[in-house]
Amino acid sequence: RKEVEQDPGPFNVPEGATVAFNCTYSNSASQSFFWYRQDCRKEPKLLMSVYSSGNEDGRFTAQLNRASQYISLLIRDSKLSDSATYLCVVYSMEYGNKLVFGAGTILRVKS
Amino acid sequence: EAQVTQNPRYLITVTGKKLTVTCSQNMNHEYMSWYRQDPGLGLRQIYYSMNVEVTDKGDVPEGYKVSRKEKRNFPLILESPSPNQTSLYFCASTNGQYNSPLHFGNGTRLTVT
Repeated sequence: RKEVEQDPGPFNVPEGATVAFNCTYSNSASQSFFWYRQDCRKEPKLLMSVYSSGNEDGRFTAQLNRASQYISLLIRDSKLSDSATYLCVVYSMEYGNKLVFGAGTILRVKS
Repeated sequence: EAQVTQNPRYLITVTGKKLTVTCSQNMNHEYMSWYRQDPGLGLRQIYYSMNVEVTDKGDVPEGYKVSRKEKRNFPLILESPSPNQTSLYFCASTNGQYNSPLHFGNGTRLTVT
């Protein structure tokens, strides 16, 4: 089983839609969680950290479910500019001293 | 402007011809790392460095070397590139610990023929 797994998509949604992605992780002792955004052929950029109580940043909401070992990202009122690949990132000391990246979920927002 | 700078952006080379990809950060970060990104596999760590003269292997170190003689620079060296090293490479840095968000360079697309 991969350490971090994501549905590769693509998710094709119309502008204004609400879309959600999940990401599962294998190590129950994982400690830190992030969502990164990557535009085509560009570098990943931090979108938001994921906190135990869940957190929101504008149209984006991130949640953590430790019992089921997944994190989620909800995007409300999708914009064309939200089209990108979203990377789930997990840190656990048992993975070694590094962040582990999922392969990403592709989102395409269409007008 | 705070940034991580990689060069070159694109590189096409032949098997066996040594090459170096440079990485420099101007944020005084202690931690630096190299990743390669391949379709369906996500970002995989090649090497990382916690500080000057301290480097460690990541998940896929075979065929690569690194050095950290100065805090700001962390070059990636391919002594004898092979076609399976064709990939998109990213350098990254952070001032925090292993679990801190990373700042990435803008990538180097390497093709080895």
